Amino acid sequence: DAGVTQSPTHLIKTRGQQVTLRCSPISGHKSVSWYQQVLGQGPQFIFQYYEKEERGRGNFPDRFSARQFPNYSSELNVNALLLGDSALYLCASSLATTTDTQYFGPGTRLTVL
Amino acid sequence: GENVGLHLPTLSVQEGDNSIINCAYSNSASDYFIWYKQESGKGPQFIIDIRSNMDKRQGQRVTVLLNKTVKHLSLQIAATQPGDSAVYFCAENWAETGANSKLTFGKGITLSVRP
Repeated sequence: DAGVTQSPTHLIKTRGQQVTLRCSPISGHKSVSWYQQVLGQGPQFIFQYYEKEERGRGNFPDRFSARQFPNYSSELNVNALLLGDSALYLCASSLATTTDTQYFGPGTRLTVL
Repeated sequence: GENVGLHLPTLSVQEGDNSIINCAYSNSASDYFIWYKQESGKGPQFIIDIRSNMDKRQGQRVTVLLNKTVKHLSLQIAATQPGDSAVYFCAENWAETGANSKLTFGKGITLSVRP
């Protein structure tokens, strides 16, 4: 079975630009969560979506937004990029809630210049 | 690949020895705990989990211990192998008042296995 997939693998943007990251969950999983991982730190929770609705949001500015599609895939959008947005963006899928095991994808490495 | 373990505490063990990785979690209301392993250039990989109504859970070569009194979680790896070298994160699941629960990760510990 395919695991969580994310695209693109790497991305380079300049300050002020906008970026869209994509995630496909494990088949049968209805929940997708997004995390930001800065080098040398643990992942920081950004959003959780379940059945196309936002179920949780971390302490990130409104420049960060996400959505989940009917096929349970998800997109994370970041507007007006800052240098500090450079990080590994991880997507995790689970059956439903945050107490179901979350399985992570390989991540998208975003570099903002 | 990227060095996920940059600036993190490091535990160095001899191949074949047992490893114990410790984690202090932050919230006494947390109800679910997970250990993840992250290798360079990869996303976190699930190792083992435990719910707050348990104090011990065993997997293949791994054991997780939960001490709610002192808010402490540990991961024991038996007969550590070179392939166990990675950064290990503990994560706790809890909800702020009026909010949905979320997974909060610790800072991570680098496990280095000496041949």
